[in-house]
Amino acid sequence: AQKVTQAQTEISVVEKEDVTLDCVYETRDTTYYLFWYKQPPSGELVFLIRRNSFDEQNEISGRYSWNFQKSTSSFNFTITASQVVDSAVYFCALSENNYGQNFVFGPGTRLSVLP
Amino acid sequence: DVKVTQSSRYLVKRTGEKVFLECVQDMDHENMFWYRQDPGLGLRLIYFSYDVKMKEKGDIPEGYSVSREKKERFSLILESASTNQTSMYLCASSNPPGQKNIQYFGAGTRLSVL
Repeated sequence: AQKVTQAQTEISVVEKEDVTLDCVYETRDTTYYLFWYKQPPSGELVFLIRRNSFDEQNEISGRYSWNFQKSTSSFNFTITASQVVDSAVYFCALSENNYGQNFVFGPGTRLSVLP
Repeated sequence: DVKVTQSSRYLVKRTGEKVFLECVQDMDHENMFWYRQDPGLGLRLIYFSYDVKMKEKGDIPEGYSVSREKKERFSLILESASTNQTSMYLCASSNPPGQKNIQYFGAGTRLSVL
């Protein structure tokens, strides 16, 4: 069965600090997709990144970077030089190669960036 | 931009009422989903639909039903609302894995059942 674990329930950092959000997943499939979403206080989940299981290259997008390691089943998310606007709940999710119904979310990590 | 619109941001209903939550997407996506979100539990899938008139149960379908008469619209129905259905409800749509399989979400409906 698939499972996504985000061990950090809440994290607080001071603005300009770097912060890493951990995500560990379990799946028996060899083909799968990993995602990160951001949920700001407004409530809408915003898509950040999608990564398929065959692409282990790390990705950087501005202040955001993602580290995918199949050997440890982890897909960690780092925010460099955090800003107050980064305060949100962040969800990691896993989808196996089917019609998308097996889209499992982790419990989320609440990030608070203090000024 | 993909747009998923949920008809209400906030709803207050009484126990036993029939409740309809509506969701509309404008990207011609085949798949649509209803989740509920509760503190500490993350998002849990209630129902999903991969085509018009087609539906599949998710992890927690009890007490809910759905309707998809048109491709762009997916409705969640609480036949007889109960207090334990007080929650945030999120609708999403996506295309299948071969076409990115990214789920796009609406803003959510916060339902209170009194």
